[in-house]
Amino acid sequence: NAGVTQTPKFRVLKTGQSMTLLCAQDMNHEYMYWYRQDPGMGLRLIHYSVGEGTTAKGEVPDGYNVSRLKKQNFLLGLESAAPSQTSVYFCASSPTAFDYNEQFFGPGTRLTVL
Amino acid sequence: GQNIDQPTEMTATEGAIVQINCTYQTSGFNGLFWYQQHAGEAPTFLSYNVLDGLEEKGRFSSFLSRSKGYSYLLLKELQMKDSASYLCAVLDSNYQLIWGAGTKLIIKP
Repeated sequence: NAGVTQTPKFRVLKTGQSMTLLCAQDMNHEYMYWYRQDPGMGLRLIHYSVGEGTTAKGEVPDGYNVSRLKKQNFLLGLESAAPSQTSVYFCASSPTAFDYNEQFFGPGTRLTVL
Repeated sequence: GQNIDQPTEMTATEGAIVQINCTYQTSGFNGLFWYQQHAGEAPTFLSYNVLDGLEEKGRFSSFLSRSKGYSYLLLKELQMKDSASYLCAVLDSNYQLIWGAGTKLIIKP
């Protein structure tokens, strides 16, 4: 089992460009999450999904869109990248959101917006 | 607002014991998690506490006091590979994880 995978691992964008980050999990988990991690700050939830075809906003959703067309995939889109979106992006999944269920993380995508 | 506080950085000696504290103020509480994150890598799960008391797992233990909004992670017999950041996270009333900024632990020989 690969667990949670993310592509790409690194990306440099110019301001105004768009891109899509792909997350895939092979654990048949219902819940999937997109976080960003910035120096000196905790992980912040961007969007999440409680199942195929459903998405919801997290703490910092502005400037991002997501889709969950298949249970195993969760896509994060940046329509018009800004320097403030320079960050490390982590995808995670869990069986459910409740109680003991730990979140399993992908290796991260390091994004720089110039 | 919701807030989780942890020390930014701690230093300890190989073979010693270190305690990393976490205090929280959140809207509701459905459990507290500790994760380990090595530099440049993804966070990995260490422990989960939902009831008061101590949970022991090998060299690592985690303690919770819900009335005090307080937890600690205790690492014994420190090894160089324990050099990492340790993240405290609380599952709030909406079952979303609220994360602390993490404590960077530096182990010296």
